[in-house]
Amino acid sequence: GAVVSQHPSWVICKSGTSVKIECRSLDFQATTMFWYRQFPKQSLMLMATSNEGSKATYEQGVEKDKFLINHASLTLSTLTVTSAHPEDSSFYICSASEITSSGGHIQYFGAGTRLSVL
Amino acid sequence: LAKTTQPISMDSYEGQEVNITCSHNNIATNDYITWYQQFPSQGPRFIIQGYKTKVTNEVASLFIPADRKSSTLSLPRVSLSDTAVYYCLVGEENTGFQKLVFGTGTRLLVSP
Repeated sequence: GAVVSQHPSWVICKSGTSVKIECRSLDFQATTMFWYRQFPKQSLMLMATSNEGSKATYEQGVEKDKFLINHASLTLSTLTVTSAHPEDSSFYICSASEITSSGGHIQYFGAGTRLSVL
Repeated sequence: LAKTTQPISMDSYEGQEVNITCSHNNIATNDYITWYQQFPSQGPRFIIQGYKTKVTNEVASLFIPADRKSSTLSLPRVSLSDTAVYYCLVGEENTGFQKLVFGTGTRLLVSP
C-alpha cells in the first residue's frame, strides 16, 4: 500500500509555544489530506480536510486559528498547533487520500504524533 | 455521527477464523466500505475495501451482501499480533474524496 510519513512522532513543548507537524505522501500525490486527533481509549476524530492549494475545511468545534493547516503541495500538508496548552495534548494523525483503479478512495494514515504540552 | 455500527469487542484464540460484522443501513450508492486496523499509539492501517460481493487480499476477506446494508470482515487463522481495534467505515462522498467518520470500532483480543 501507499506510504504516508508523519513527523515528528513525539513532541514535548511548553505551554504557549507553537508546534508544527508534517505529513507527507511518499509514493503518490494526494490532492486531499486529513487531520485527526485521538484521545486515549477513544476513536479518531476528524479535525479538518486539507486540499492542495486551497483553504482547509474544519469540522464543527475545531478552532481554525488554533490549528493552522497548510497544504502547499500534492505531497505535503502541515498542521501547526498555535499557542499550545495542556488541553491540546493528544495523538494527532494525518492521512492522505488516493483514488483506486475501481474509483474508490483509500485513506492511508501516518504513524501519528504524540503531543505533550507542559 | 458515524454511519456504521459494529460490536464493541470480540474475543478469539490463535488459529481461529474471526468474522466481524458491520451494519451500515444508510449506505449511499457511491459509498465504498473500508476496514482499518489500529494498534495502540499508531495510525490506522488499511486492510481492505469493497463495493459489493466479495473481495479478498493477502490478509483478509470482505463479504458484502447484495443490499450492501452490512459487511463482514473475515480474518483467517488469527494470531496474537492481530489483537487490535478494527474500524469499519463507509466513505462520505464528496467531490474528489471521501470523508471518513470513525465509530467506536471493534476491539479484538486474541488469546493463546
